[in-house]
This record gives sequence, structure tokens and C-alpha cells, in this order.
Amino acid sequence: TQLLEQSPQFLSIQEGENLTVYCNSSSVFSSLQWYRQEPGEGPVLLVTVVTGGEVKKLKRLTFQFGDARKDSSLHITAAQPGDTGLYLCAGEIRGGLTFGKGTHLIIQP
Amino acid sequence: EAQVTQNPRYLITVTGKKLTVTCSQNMNHEYMSWYRQDPGLGLRQIYYSMNVEVTDKGDVPEGYKVSRKEKRNFPLILESPSPNQTSLYFCASSPQPYPGGNEQFFGPGTRLTVL
Repeated sequence: TQLLEQSPQFLSIQEGENLTVYCNSSSVFSSLQWYRQEPGEGPVLLVTVVTGGEVKKLKRLTFQFGDARKDSSLHITAAQPGDTGLYLCAGEIRGGLTFGKGTHLIIQP
Repeated sequence: EAQVTQNPRYLITVTGKKLTVTCSQNMNHEYMSWYRQDPGLGLRQIYYSMNVEVTDKGDVPEGYKVSRKEKRNFPLILESPSPNQTSLYFCASSPQPYPGGNEQFFGPGTRLTVL
């Protein structure tokens, strides 16, 4: 059973469009993280959300942590080809770190 | 330069031949961990360590061993590799002894093929 469910798994859109990626769980997390991974490299942290209902912005990326701290979303405005990559959410479970399976995002010029 | 290094980056081996993948970090981080990444299964934690001489199993520890004798090093040992351990492996470290809310710094990955 996957503790963190990400959707969609794959998303291909045109440059300039908006999109939202979801990370859902039945478990409560003290914090959730979003990472971005490019081919041939390790994941790189984008943001950490800690407080229920928290919204964080990183240029065109908006991250939200659900009020109950069980889910999170990543919204990208006016997507660009440079946003292409694998987006992963992650949360701590009993000292270990669990990741969602990721969303493969392709932004076509 | 602050970094996590892994060696080797690529390895092709045969079933049953013991191997070790090294991981080293120069950031004085407390937490270190190993992950494997497989298509359709995502990134799964193998083992983690909150401090020297303290290690614990992650989600998929079977067939792997680790040790944390020094703070900077966290080698991954496959005593008898099998083809189902063919995967992309990542080592990561984090400043605090627990991962929650703390950035994981990932190494460049080791692509292992077991024939």
C-alpha cells in the first residue's frame, strides 16, 4: 500500500498552460516535502510545508498543505519547458522517509 | 563543495558476487539513507541511519546491509546480489537526525545491473 498517492502519474501539456499535481494520504504528516528530479540526477528539494493550510510560493509554483495535514498540492502557473521533470512528494513515517511514486511532467514548447 | 558522493556510478555484476556501494557526505550531517528507484514503483527507502552506529530498516531492506561506523560514510552492501536488485540507487543525507521537515541532499545515483 502506497502511503502517499500522487496524481496524475503522467502529464503532458503545452507551454503557458496551468497545472496542478496532488499528493494524498490517509495518514497525518507533521510536514511534507516536494522534490523535483531531472533525468540522471538525484531529487532536489523545492519546498517543505509544515502547518496545516499553509501556502508557499516559489515563483510560478504554489504549494499548499491541507488543513488536516494529510494532503498537499503543487500548482504551476504558465508552465515552461524548463518545468519538465519528475515531481515527488515525501513525508516522514516513524523515522523513515516515504515518497510518492511521482508525477512525470512534460511541458511542450 | 558540499556534496554527497557515491561510487561507483555504474556497475554491472553477476548474481551472487558481493558488492559494496560507497556513500560519503562532507556536510557533517546526522541522517543518512539509501533509496532505490524503479519504474512504476518510485523511490523507496532501503535503510537509514540517524547517527553513528544507529541504523534502521526502511521499506525494502531485504537483501541489503549497511553500516555507519563514521558520521560521513554510509556504505550499502549487497552480500549476494540477485537480478531483482537491478535498480538505480541513491544515497542521501540530512542535517538533523530525523528526516521530517529537513532537506534531503541526494547523491548522483548508482546504476546497478545484476545479471
